[in-house]
Amino acid sequence: SAVISQKPSRDICQRGTSLTIQCQVDSQVTMMFWYRQQPGQSLTLIATANQGSEATYESGFVIDKFPISRPNLTFSTLTVSNMSPEDSSIYLCSVASTWTSGEAFFGQGTRLTVV
Amino acid sequence: QQQVKQSPQSLIVQKGGISIINCAYENTAFDYFPWYQQFPGKGPALLIAIRPDVSEKKEGRFTISFNKSAKQFSLHIMDSQPGDSATYFCAASNTNAGKSTFGDGTTLTVKP
Repeated sequence: SAVISQKPSRDICQRGTSLTIQCQVDSQVTMMFWYRQQPGQSLTLIATANQGSEATYESGFVIDKFPISRPNLTFSTLTVSNMSPEDSSIYLCSVASTWTSGEAFFGQGTRLTVV
Repeated sequence: QQQVKQSPQSLIVQKGGISIINCAYENTAFDYFPWYQQFPGKGPALLIAIRPDVSEKKEGRFTISFNKSAKQFSLHIMDSQPGDSATYFCAASNTNAGKSTFGDGTTLTVKP
């Protein structure tokens, strides 16, 4: 299985500011994803982080709000921009690989509180 | 449109009992059906998974039953223990796409 490190693990931010979350994987993976989990809710896919090209966003999520970078096969960042209290959630990095037969693994998540 | 429906929302069982959680999916392109276990403050951890070419998979106390024609699958936890108390999510994905669609989750409480 892949080992995924996410930083920061939690943060409290002022509204109107931005936070960048980092995701580091211990091996090269073909697919990386960013999910959001609002309090007491299920996981919702934000976007697929594509290496060397623009991320692919799901309906309801836009690049201006959630810019994503993926400079190589082991690292990605998600930025939550111009934050409001509604952005308070857990943000999760996930990876999958053809070498793991499609099994997906998750980081510990970043718990974000916007005040 | 919710592509993966999970039930029940919450479940309380006695220690030693059987916990059963059900999921139904709509997209026939899905070919990978995992179950995740999530403890408070932690990310989801892969528990067990099945592909549609088999009807059942067992790992220890955990069993997935899969009904391809009905587009349903379920998780059975035998001899449930208080340490199994967590939130369980079913999911479905297409291996080539990699991204998963999750059910709404089931909060399981196992009473001692």
